[in-house]
Amino acid sequence: EAGVAQSPRYKIIEKRQSVAFWCNPISGHATLYWYQQILGQGPKLLIQFQNNGVVDDSQLPKDRFSAERLKGVDSTLKIQPAKLEDSAVYLCASSERDRWVTEAFFGQGTRLTVV
Amino acid sequence: AQSVTQLGSHVSVSEGALVLLRCNYSSSVPPYLFWYVQYPNQGLQLLLKYTSAATLVKGINGFEAEFKKSETSFHLTKPSAHMSDAAEYFCAVRPYNNNDMRFGAGTRLTVKP
Repeated sequence: EAGVAQSPRYKIIEKRQSVAFWCNPISGHATLYWYQQILGQGPKLLIQFQNNGVVDDSQLPKDRFSAERLKGVDSTLKIQPAKLEDSAVYLCASSERDRWVTEAFFGQGTRLTVV
Repeated sequence: AQSVTQLGSHVSVSEGALVLLRCNYSSSVPPYLFWYVQYPNQGLQLLLKYTSAATLVKGINGFEAEFKKSETSFHLTKPSAHMSDAAEYFCAVRPYNNNDMRFGAGTRLTVKP
């Protein structure tokens, strides 16, 4: 079974530039998450999708961050414009909708450095 | 909303010694609980999970955790540490009735030879 795919693995941009990350979840997984992991901290949920609908985006800085999952499969997360404090690893994860299948499977993440 | 507190951001043990990583949770509904491990420059890998069956859960690499409702705890243990156990460990909680998973701040485990 293929895992969660993310690209790019690394990205360096200047502040005020824009950047986009891509995630392809495990086939058949209805739930997709984007997490932000700042160095030395645990992952913080940015947004959760169920199929192509947003379940929770309460911690997404909507003035600069956006995310979409148009066809209920892969997803993109965009930052525009980026700030220095956005430097972090952005993790994508997916899980099945069935409540009895409980864990999230994670991709390797995209490490963003804003200079 | 649910949350997790991991006590101790850094834990150091000698090779062969007991590993104990602490996790306390808060949840208004019955929770599912998880321990994940993260190696440098990698994503998170599931170690074990509690899903309301047995309270003592065994995971990969010799780790286990015990769910204690009265103490709202889910501490991770391993009888004998190995050098390869050095990593960051995260406890996570989600309600039984939705997929809203929240993570603790993590505990970095160092294993000394």
